[in-house]
This record gives sequence, C-alpha cells and structure tokens, in this order.
Amino acid sequence: ETGVTQSPTHLIKTRGQQVTLRCSSQSGHNTVSWYQQALGQGPQFIFQYYREEENGRGNFPPRFSGLQFPNYSSELNVNALELDDSALYLCASSATSGSWDEQYFGPGTRLTVT
Amino acid sequence: DAKTTQPPSMDCAEGRAANLPCNHSTISGNEYVYWYRQIHSQGPQYIIHGLKNNETNEMASLIITEDRKSSTLILPHATLRDTAVYYCIVRVDDMRFGAGTRLTVKP
Repeated sequence: ETGVTQSPTHLIKTRGQQVTLRCSSQSGHNTVSWYQQALGQGPQFIFQYYREEENGRGNFPPRFSGLQFPNYSSELNVNALELDDSALYLCASSATSGSWDEQYFGPGTRLTVT
Repeated sequence: DAKTTQPPSMDCAEGRAANLPCNHSTISGNEYVYWYRQIHSQGPQYIIHGLKNNETNEMASLIITEDRKSSTLILPHATLRDTAVYYCIVRVDDMRFGAGTRLTVKP
C-alpha cells in the first residue's frame, strides 16, 4: 500500500465527452505526477504539479489538463475524448519536486472510450 | 523515446538470482538509471537507482558498467511475488518508461 488512492477504478466514456479523474496523495506530498499507460506499454508522463502549479509536461495536447489542491488531492481532466485515450491513468505523489526515486503510485483508473 | 533497451521477457527459477539487463548507450553524464517494477493490476513500484556506482538495497542490487552504457538489476533470490514487468529508465526531465522486461519467476 502506497497511501495514494485514485477514483474511480474504472470508467467508460463516449468519444467527444470530457472526463475528470481524481487522485489523493500521501499527506505531506506536494508533488503529483500523472501518467497514461496504454495496454501492453509502459507509462507515459503527462505532467507534474508542484505546489498547485504545473511543473513539467510530457508530449500531450492541451486537452489534457490538471489541478492540484492544498489538501493533497489532484485532478486530471481530459476534454474531447478520443478512442486512443483509452488507457490506465496513474498518479504518483512525492515529497519533493523531481524526486523520481520517491514516487508512490496509485493503483490507477482504467478509462475506456467508446 | 525511452533511451533504454530491455529484453521483452525473461524467466527465472524460484530461489535463483534474476539478472535483468538494460542498455542505455546514449546516457549523459548526469543522468541517473532508475528501476521500477509493475506487478499486474498495480501501479509501478520504485526499486533502486544509481549514477555510476553499484548500489544495493533491501530489494535488489544495481550494477552499472564503467562506461555507463548498460546496467543489470539483480534480484538475489527471486520469489513468485517478483513476477512483474521491470522498467529500466534513464531520467531526463521526466520519467520515460519503455516497454520493460516481463519477468516470470517459476516454481
């Protein structure tokens, strides 16, 4: 158990819709990163938030956006869903920005876009 | 562009050492090598990381070649619970996971 939780566990959406995924970090962890993991592939970095500000972004379009709140929770929002957005979405929290060895991952949210 | 190359799959007998190789021939001088693993239906789990010296912790050992172009993760006494996908990652500004090595530990 990493102390990082995500909700919902599974989600089915239709192409063109919008979705919000939620993550609750470990208490005291002010950095959260989000990853997309397609079936059979490794996780791909979407972006990182540090103290409620975006602090780095991978190769994902602007329709992927996020929010981080002072209570150690965060959200990943995806607009105009596409079929290729179907994946496992993982969040990972850490105590400091850039501490890649101290990332604690949640179990993920599996999103299916039909 | 994961910057690392790993075999897609490996088998290991329970109780034996599992040696997982990784090539990272384009690694830069200040880039660390990280290893994570992902057990089925769970999020990735940090194992170990290193820059140029060999490292050991309670989970594994990391051997990095002198030229830093390759490394080996060693699980000294593999158990069935070590069956997972193991990712070797060269940290740039973000964590770029490749496809990893699927390690199957067999009884």
